[in-house]
Amino acid sequence: DIQLTQSPSFLSASVGDRVTITCRASQGISSYLAWYQQKPGKAPNLLIYVTSTLQSGVPSRFSGSGSGTEFTLTISSLQPDDFATYYCQQLSTYPHTFGQGTTLDSK
Amino acid sequence: EVQLVESGGGLVQPGGSLRLSCEASGFTFNNYAMNWVRQAPGKGLQWVSTISDNGGVTFYADSVKGRFTMSRDNSQNTVYLQMKNLRVDDTAVYYCAKALWRTAQGAFDIWGQGTMVTVSS
Repeated sequence: DIQLTQSPSFLSASVGDRVTITCRASQGISSYLAWYQQKPGKAPNLLIYVTSTLQSGVPSRFSGSGSGTEFTLTISSLQPDDFATYYCQQLSTYPHTFGQGTTLDSK
Repeated sequence: EVQLVESGGGLVQPGGSLRLSCEASGFTFNNYAMNWVRQAPGKGLQWVSTISDNGGVTFYADSVKGRFTMSRDNSQNTVYLQMKNLRVDDTAVYYCAKALWRTAQGAFDIWGQGTMVTVSS
């Protein structure tokens, strides 16, 4: 199975900060990587798919990049609504594993 | 409005069975793969199962293989997760999720609100 490791697992930041979360895959996954945001008690919300394509309705301050085994999610200027947990997911091969999550909270 | 509504969760004893349902609306259901994802209390997301658009192909996580069966009724716009021989570590919120594309390789773009399954004696 492909393992996904997110770093960091916890991140404290302030409104206006530029934030980067990394997702490393245990083997190559081409570009089949997605990012989700989840708030407490709510279902996940798709942010980015196939590494860098922004889902409709998602603010442009979110962006994704990477290839092969290393991928990043960047929030260019953190907004109050962005404090949440973020997950990456690989959809290259089954099982379609998720990373362990990165919790972003207010500094 | 594109929507997924899960039902069927509840409290069950270890070794018991439960069937979850997920009713879809607002999109052409038989054009997309569908998925189940679970989240144990305080933990991360775990992919559970995927079914192809026509129901002919299914995939399962090793932890549920042989115990869970995913199916769909395209005439009813509904997917199911039949869970048997439930274990305490199956306790989780179970989410139904729509694939972005006909196959499940894109991402999961629409999620239900989740249904809680608690396995306890």
